[in-house]
Amino acid sequence: NAGVTQTPKFQVLKTGQSMTLQCAQDMNHNSMYWYRQDPGMGLRLIYYSASEGTTDKGEVPNGYNVSRLNKREFSLRLESAAPSQTSVYFCASSQVPSSGNTIYFGEGSWLTVV
Amino acid sequence: EDQVTQSPEALRLQEGESSSLNCSYTVSGLRGLFWYRQDPGKGPEFLFTLYSAGEEKEKERLKATLTKKESFLHITAPKPEDSATYLCAVQATYKYIFGTGTRLKVLA
Repeated sequence: NAGVTQTPKFQVLKTGQSMTLQCAQDMNHNSMYWYRQDPGMGLRLIYYSASEGTTDKGEVPNGYNVSRLNKREFSLRLESAAPSQTSVYFCASSQVPSSGNTIYFGEGSWLTVV
Repeated sequence: EDQVTQSPEALRLQEGESSSLNCSYTVSGLRGLFWYRQDPGKGPEFLFTLYSAGEEKEKERLKATLTKKESFLHITAPKPEDSATYLCAVQATYKYIFGTGTRLKVLA
C-alpha cells in the first residue's frame, strides 16, 4: 500500500539550477498539496490542486510552479533555486477538502541549495 | 485569522509518566481537527481525526479529545518508542492549517 510517493528523497542544487519534485498518490484522492517544512515554522502550503485540472497558490508560492499532470500526479518545479528554498518538501493528498477528510503525506524530499 | 498553537514546544517524560499535549485553535468553520506523529526523517503519520466538541478517540496509549477551542493528546504510560514530534492541524474550508508541533522525548 504505497499511499503518497515522492521523488527524489535527497537533492543538492546549486543556486540558479532548476529541478522538479515528483509526487504520485494511489488512493484515488481528488486533492493534492505541496508543503515545505522548516524548523520553527511548521508546515506551510506552497500550492495545492483541489481537483484534476486546477491549481492554486498557497501561503508561500513565490519561486515555485506546479503541474497537476493527472489525477494521480502533482509535480513541484523550482525554476531558479535559491538558498532560501533549502527545506524539506512534503507532498500530500486528500479527498474533497471541504468535508473534513484526512490529509495523507509522503515521506518527504530533502532539498539543499548551495 | 485562522491559527493553530501547540504547547509545550518540547516535553521530556520518564517512561510510564503520563502527560498531555495541547493544541489551541482559532478557525472559522472547523471541518476537522487532526493529530499526526512525525519521526525524524519521515513524513507526518496520521493518528486521529476529531470533528466536534466532546469527541474522543483512542489508539493504544494515545487519546485525543476536542473542545470548542482546543484539543488534547493524552499519552498514558508512555514508552521510549512514543518519542516523536506530534503535529496538530485544523481544516477550514479548503485549507489545512498546521501547528509547529510538540517534540516528545520519553526516557527509559
